[in-house]
Amino acid sequence: GDSVTQMEGPVTLSEEAFLTINCTYTATGYPSLFWYVQYPGEGLQLLLKATKADDKGSNKGFEATYRKETTSFHLEKGSVQVSDSAVYFCALTPSPTGGFKTIFGAGTRLFVKA
Amino acid sequence: DAGVTQSPTHLIKTRGQQVTLRCSPKSGHDTVSWYQQALGQGPQFIFQYYEEEERQRGNFPDRFSGHQFPNYSSELNVNALLLGDSALYLCASSLGRYNEQFFGPGTRLTVL
Repeated sequence: GDSVTQMEGPVTLSEEAFLTINCTYTATGYPSLFWYVQYPGEGLQLLLKATKADDKGSNKGFEATYRKETTSFHLEKGSVQVSDSAVYFCALTPSPTGGFKTIFGAGTRLFVKA
Repeated sequence: DAGVTQSPTHLIKTRGQQVTLRCSPKSGHDTVSWYQQALGQGPQFIFQYYEEEERQRGNFPDRFSGHQFPNYSSELNVNALLLGDSALYLCASSLGRYNEQFFGPGTRLTVL
């Protein structure tokens, strides 16, 4: 079945460091790919998305490119801030329009030190 | 424009009890999906409601049931609560079954 695998955390970085969180997926057809962020004690917030191969999603300095050839959707940010400390979830939906059930990875916790 | 809302925010129950969680979808949305997020894990799909019927179900026992009302709001019911049911329960809404889902803030259920 469809699945998402993301790098285990926690990831600890100093402020202004470069961030990469790896995500790979297994899916049939043409899934949509997402990154969600969850701050302590809160629900999920959509960070960025891509609905077809080679699309780049971006938001708040974060970027991820839908790579069908490597089945990957790695999250990157050039300079992290303390406020970026959170849990990041890579996810997919089987539908190219971004709906139906969402399948999540296990999450990667990011700590950013001042 | 109100987003997805859920109530209550927190809930404490004891083993064997029953619980009902509520969700109001984003304005204009007609489809509601429920997810369970255990501590330290990613959310897991429970089921989806559309046109007041359960349309798709994840790998959850029959103790988990739901309902959708004519105004598209939804309830999640869990019977015979187990300690392992302690989790954050997330509701997501969409316009149609196959479009982008928007998540609510969740209800944190603690079973003692």
